[in-house]
Amino acid sequence: EDQVTQSPEALRLQEGESSSLNCSYTVSGLRGLFWYRQDPGKGPEFLFTLYSAGEEKEKERLKATLTKKESFLHITAPKPEDSATYLCAVLDYGGSQGNLIFGKGTKLSVKP
Amino acid sequence: DSGVTQTPKHLITATGQRVTLRCSPRSGDLSVYWYQQSLDQGLQFLIQYYNGEERAKGNILERFSAQQFPDLHSELNLSSLELGDSALYFCASSVGRGRDTEAFFGQGTRLTVV
Repeated sequence: EDQVTQSPEALRLQEGESSSLNCSYTVSGLRGLFWYRQDPGKGPEFLFTLYSAGEEKEKERLKATLTKKESFLHITAPKPEDSATYLCAVLDYGGSQGNLIFGKGTKLSVKP
Repeated sequence: DSGVTQTPKHLITATGQRVTLRCSPRSGDLSVYWYQQSLDQGLQFLIQYYNGEERAKGNILERFSAQQFPDLHSELNLSSLELGDSALYFCASSVGRGRDTEAFFGQGTRLTVV
């Protein structure tokens, strides 16, 4: 059974204090790993897709990386507006038939 | 704005009632997905439609059903509602069947069952 575990559950940072969020996964064959950002009461907003180990993608202060067992979302010099819940999801070749399996998310708070 | 439209934004109803949630996908997207998000469970996949046909089923209760119409909009019907059905319901859409394309989410419908 596909599993996605995100850590930590919550993370508090000072503005400018860089850190990383972790997403570990268990799938039969990874088709893609997705990162989303979700603000309270809103729908998840797509950030990145990673397809193979070693791949990296960047967007502003965010950088996502992928290994065979986990993905990291690195946040460099965060700002208060980066505060949100970050969700990781996987898509596998076999069981999920195109639907994303989500982790429970990491709630990030960035204080000024 | 993701381009996915969900209505209504909020819905309050009593136990035992039936409601219909509506989703209009992004222009050109053929797949529609429904997800339920509650505080303790996170985002749970319910069902997927591709070009009018059911493609995949997740943890969808028998009291729940969905369909996708010829104009590609989708409706999620929830019946015999229970207090535990209170949650955010999200619709997402993607261009393809989902295996190679990212899904874009609507803003959700917050359902409160009292």
